[in-house]
Amino acid sequence: DIQLTQSPSFLSASVGDRVTITCRASQGISTDLAWLQQKPGKAPKLLIYAASTLQSGVPSRFSGSASGTEFTLTISSLQPEDFATYYCRQRNSYPVTFGGGTKVEIK
Amino acid sequence: EVQLVQSGGGLVQPGGSLRLSCAASGFIFSDHQMDWVRQGPGKGLEWVGRIRKRVNGYSAEYAASVKGRFTISREDSKSSLFLQMNSLENEDTAVYYCARVRNGDYYIDLWGQGTLVTVSS
Repeated sequence: DIQLTQSPSFLSASVGDRVTITCRASQGISTDLAWLQQKPGKAPKLLIYAASTLQSGVPSRFSGSASGTEFTLTISSLQPEDFATYYCRQRNSYPVTFGGGTKVEIK
Repeated sequence: EVQLVQSGGGLVQPGGSLRLSCAASGFIFSDHQMDWVRQGPGKGLEWVGRIRKRVNGYSAEYAASVKGRFTISREDSKSSLFLQMNSLENEDTAVYYCARVRNGDYYIDLWGQGTLVTVSS
C-alpha cells in the first residue's frame, strides 16, 4: 500500500499568514494526488486535484505543487474560513489512501 | 440539485449487520463509479471501497480491513448505492460517507452528508 505522510499534523497560524502543508508518498504516484478540506461535522471538500489543479470554485489563495514524491499545499493568506483539517489523498493505485491530516487552528 | 443523501446507520452489536444507503440526484448516477469512505471518532479518513459502472461489470475494490465482511452494490435504476456491513467489529465505528468518483480523472468531487455507525454491546 502507498503510505502518505503529512506534516505537520497540527499548526497554529494567524489570519493573513502563509501556510504550507506537506504530504510525502512512500513511492512514486506521478501527480495522482488531491488535497481536501474538512470542517468539523462536515464532509470533506475537494480543493486541488492532479497535485496542482484548483477545483472549480476554490479560492486562488490555495495552490498545490509536486516534486518527486513530495507534495505541498499552500494557502497564501489564511482566512478565517480556512481553519479546518486538510488531507491529501492518492488515487494512483489501490487501495486509495489518505494522509493523516493537518489541523489548522487559530493562533 | 446535485447531491447524495445517505440513510441507515445506527447502533449495532459486535458481530451484527447493517446496511447503508446513498440516494443520488441531479446527475446521471449510472455514469459514475462510487466510493465509500469512513472516519472513526477523532480520526482521519479511510477509504472503504469502490464500485465500478455497469460497463465494468459492477466490479468492486475493498480495503483490506473490510474485505470479506463488507459488500458494495448499486441499483442504477433507482440511482442508489449500498454498503452491506456484516460481522461488524468495534473498530468499524465511524461516520460513513458515500462519494461520487468523477469521470476521467477519478477524483472524488461530491460527498454525502455522512451517517454514523456505532458498534457496541
